[in-house]
Amino acid sequence: ETGVTQTPRHLVMGMTNKKSLKCEQHLGHNAMYWYKQSAKKPLELMFVYSLEERVENNSVPSRFSPECPNSSHLFLHLHTLQPEDSALYLCASSHQTGGSTEAFFGQGTRLTVV
Amino acid sequence: GEDVEQSLFLSVREGDSSVINCTYTDSSSTYLYWYKQEPGAGLQLLTYIFSNMDMKQDQRLTVLLNKKDKHLSLRIADTQTGDSAISFCAERTSGTYKYIFGTGTRLKVLA
Repeated sequence: ETGVTQTPRHLVMGMTNKKSLKCEQHLGHNAMYWYKQSAKKPLELMFVYSLEERVENNSVPSRFSPECPNSSHLFLHLHTLQPEDSALYLCASSHQTGGSTEAFFGQGTRLTVV
Repeated sequence: GEDVEQSLFLSVREGDSSVINCTYTDSSSTYLYWYKQEPGAGLQLLTYIFSNMDMKQDQRLTVLLNKKDKHLSLRIADTQTGDSAISFCAERTSGTYKYIFGTGTRLKVLA
């Protein structure tokens, strides 16, 4: 296993369901991110965790709830979503804030809310 | 607030050069990145440039930075069909975890 792995790759859920997205990184990084990618819009930064502590929370609705149990794993818990929440959800990780450090991305979870 | 803008589409013929442009607003940006996204995949880093540089060349890729105008460009020489993807510009200030991305430019390479 290398890089950043997201599961599931595809998810269809009803508006009353509860589901979770999972992200795992095997790069030894200390920061993990959730981004939302919608068509023709910039990637939206949702949450950032550094050393398991949330450091960014960009006015995301409470129906999205992140969890970072350790520096290798990140979850996004979903409940009572709306159809406009349908998007590609990307997880990323990076090592440190100094230097040129790049963010490494997973392949994303394509979420459809029906 | 921070903002990164790109045009949505670019078409070029195979073998020609492509130039993808990006503007950003945050004057404290330290690092500027170009990422590529192929269908069904996440983002992969193509190259990056530090804000005290004007140019960086990396094989077929040339990045130009005009810090005064907050303008970044990516030139791909001898564009191939395998370069067809969405290219994202991103900026980050050193000491922060916040990568700010543009909308992405969909590059279509015509054979």
